[in-house]
Amino acid sequence: EPEVTQTPSHQVTQMGQEVILRCVPISNHLYFYWYRQILGQKVEFLVSFYNNEISEKSEIFDDQFSVERPDGSNFTLKIRSTKLEDSAMYFCASELGTSARQPQHFGDGTRLSIL
Amino acid sequence: AQTVTQSQPEMSVQEAETVTLSCTYDTSESDYYLFWYKQPPSRQMILVIRQEAYKQQNATENRFSVNFQKAAKSFSLKISDSQLGDAAMYFCAYRSPPIYSGNTPLVFGKGTRLSVIA
Repeated sequence: EPEVTQTPSHQVTQMGQEVILRCVPISNHLYFYWYRQILGQKVEFLVSFYNNEISEKSEIFDDQFSVERPDGSNFTLKIRSTKLEDSAMYFCASELGTSARQPQHFGDGTRLSIL
Repeated sequence: AQTVTQSQPEMSVQEAETVTLSCTYDTSESDYYLFWYKQPPSRQMILVIRQEAYKQQNATENRFSVNFQKAAKSFSLKISDSQLGDAAMYFCAYRSPPIYSGNTPLVFGKGTRLSVIA
């Protein structure tokens, strides 16, 4: 069964550095999402992406964050100048997009640690 | 904004027994979707079961079933004949109906960690 894959599985970065998290969604899926989970807290929505543009974003997704789909397969989340509070598990998800009852398919996540 | 509450951070169940995980949500919408996702240790979240709010009948998927109480805004998950492989983090999630810009994101609860005792 096709899977969403995320790389790296763990990223350690110095505060203030830029980091790029990568995701390969399932190939025929049309909607893509980033979520994050700070340790001990809820999984929170960051941003959704459709037709090569952001379709919705949360308050968390401020100017330090950006997403793109540079080559038609990868879906990336960039954090420009990382802060300690960006330490979290970041999940990518994709879905077919034909109906809201369809599930989102999640990757294993990238654990981001900011030092 | 919608919120999802899972009041049981941890639960345990004996193998072959039945366990119920609770989930409540808060919304002013009449149409929405509810999901239970399972996340085994170091693995992806996978869909366990889903429920459309307009359906009165409770969803079932093999050993998994839900008790959907729309008026009470409650969506509990029942796992029958628990197996060792059911041990995981279980997340309840809410989804609003699609909006003009497309499909909507999931709103998650904090999760319930289920242990299965042999």
